[in-house]
Amino acid sequence: KQEVTQIPAALSVPEGENLVLNCSFTDSAIYNLQWFRQDPGKGLTSLLLIQSSQREQTSGRLNASLDKSSGRSTLYIAASQPGDSATYLCAVIRNQFYFGTGTSLTVIP
Amino acid sequence: GAVVSQHPSWVICKSGTSVKIECRSLDFQATTMFWYRQFPKQSLMLMATSNEGSKATYEQGVEKDKFLINHASLTLSTLTVTSAHPEDSSFYICSVLQGDQPQHFGDGTRLSIL
Repeated sequence: KQEVTQIPAALSVPEGENLVLNCSFTDSAIYNLQWFRQDPGKGLTSLLLIQSSQREQTSGRLNASLDKSSGRSTLYIAASQPGDSATYLCAVIRNQFYFGTGTSLTVIP
Repeated sequence: GAVVSQHPSWVICKSGTSVKIECRSLDFQATTMFWYRQFPKQSLMLMATSNEGSKATYEQGVEKDKFLINHASLTLSTLTVTSAHPEDSSFYICSVLQGDQPQHFGDGTRLSIL
């Protein structure tokens, strides 16, 4: 069964720092990988979708990479802002979504 | 604009009550919808796959008689938590599948059982 793990579980950084969130998965036979943002008590906001044939995707200050062979993905956030504070979830996709455990990010002004 | 509408966003009710949550696809017809559950500080777990016009497929460990799913039309799936108890308190999220496009997620329903 696919297992998705995110490290660290929580992260607190001062505003302006660059940071990396990690996602690992046990079964490399995936279709896609997607990163989401979840604010407290809210639903999911899709950030980046990486198809299995791709190695990375970029959107603004966000860059996500995918290494299927090693079962890893990273989400890079440049020049972090207090508004980036949220829980970040990665999900690997094969027939269904398998969500990671999430990283709770706090950006301190 | 929103692609998926989920209602209600928050519900509080007494133990033993049945609660219905609606998930609507606003912009397209959806033959498949998914229901997820998220306990505090845990990730989303798939509960069931809702298929229009047929019975839902439940994940292992999810009681189908307790979590009734009705996907009666191409734009609406409902999840009814029957005889809800405090341990059913959770955040429930639906998602809609449109062909081979990424899934669209609803804003979720926070269910609190007293």
